[in-house]
Amino acid sequence: SYVLTQPPSVSVAPGKTATITCGGSDFRGKSFQWYQQRPGQAPMLVIYYDTARPSGIPERFSGSKSGNTATLTISRVEAADEADYYCQVWESSGNQDVVFGGGTKLTVL
Amino acid sequence: EVRLLESGGGLIQPGGSLRLSCAASGFTFSSYAMSWVRQAPGKGLEWVSVITVSGSRTHYADSVKGRFTISRDNSKNTLNLQLNSLRVEDTAVYYCAKHDSSSYFYVLDQWGQGVLVTVSS
Repeated sequence: SYVLTQPPSVSVAPGKTATITCGGSDFRGKSFQWYQQRPGQAPMLVIYYDTARPSGIPERFSGSKSGNTATLTISRVEAADEADYYCQVWESSGNQDVVFGGGTKLTVL
Repeated sequence: EVRLLESGGGLIQPGGSLRLSCAASGFTFSSYAMSWVRQAPGKGLEWVSVITVSGSRTHYADSVKGRFTISRDNSKNTLNLQLNSLRVEDTAVYYCAKHDSSSYFYVLDQWGQGVLVTVSS
């Protein structure tokens, strides 16, 4: 089955920029989503279709994709951004699985 | 406001069965595909199953195929997950989640708060 690889942890100082990567193979036709999960809460969509932001998500959150890596960038990081972040794709041309990356714990120093 | 409220969780012995439900409100339930996603204690998210608007298409993760059954009742705005032959490794919080399309499964744009299923003897 399809595998998405994320770094287990990323640390950043407040006000700086955090970059969380998601690697895989054969990105053709795949759109990436990113979810934020704060401790004790349900996941929340922060980026969809690689670069789009749902209403209510700050412009500080942005997504990109290049080669075999998708990236979530959080600018001007705040303490409230400390959370687990998951990338996700849908195997539309394969077995129709929804696939999540292993998650990245973002720590705000 | 979209609301997804899961119920039916609890403590169950290995080999047992459980039925989870998700009550949806705040949107036209019959127009969107729905999924179940689970999260074992201290672990990441694992997609479990998806169903299209009419229920004509369902898909399952290999880890639950043949044991779990997803269904929906559009007249009652309810999503269900029947869990059979439960294993200790099925212990997790189970989330109900809404897709942004009727038949494409790219995006999960709304999530419930989750319900805990504990499989233990």
